[in-house]
Amino acid sequence: SQKIEQNSEALNIQEGKTATLTCNYTNYSPAYLQWYRQDPGRGPVFLLLIRENEKEKRKERLKVTFDTTLKQSLFHITASQPADSATYLCALEYTGGFKTIFGAGTRLFVKA
Amino acid sequence: DVKVTQSSRYLVKRTGEKVFLECVQDMDHENMFWYRQDPGLGLRLIYFSYDVKMKEKGDIPEGYSVSREKKERFSLILESASTNQTSMYLCASSSSDITPYEQYFGPGTRLTVT
Repeated sequence: SQKIEQNSEALNIQEGKTATLTCNYTNYSPAYLQWYRQDPGRGPVFLLLIRENEKEKRKERLKVTFDTTLKQSLFHITASQPADSATYLCALEYTGGFKTIFGAGTRLFVKA
Repeated sequence: DVKVTQSSRYLVKRTGEKVFLECVQDMDHENMFWYRQDPGLGLRLIYFSYDVKMKEKGDIPEGYSVSREKKERFSLILESASTNQTSMYLCASSSSDITPYEQYFGPGTRLTVT
């Protein structure tokens, strides 16, 4: 079955630095890969989506890359701020399907 | 803005009780989902529905059932609550008109079964 791996260890970085989070998946490639942000005690919030035929996507300080050969997506937050501290979830969706498979998430702490 | 609301933020129930979790969305979305979230396991899909009165099993449907009598409302039912159903339950909705299916989540219900 399809599996998603995100670094279970928390990522601690200094304010102003670039945070890079990794999402690896097994088996066949998804049609879309999404990133969500989740704050403690709240539901996930959609951030960005990248399609299988796209290499890179940007939105303000966020950048997502998608390497179907490595079966990996990288999520970057540039000029990070303490307000970026949250858990970031990677999610895969397959063509024609309603089911989205979520990773367990990586916790990011940005220190001032 | 899309709003997904869930009936309770926190719920404590006893083993064997029948538990109802309610979810309502206000964006006329066709698709609705129930997940549970446990530390280290991520979100796991319990059931989803792509239309009124339609339902499909997700990855972990055992011990749960669902009901969708109206488009905006999707209920999760724990027929006989057990301690291993203690978890965070998240409801989500998405539109079938807009692909890919970005999901909008509710705030979650933290259920404790004692």
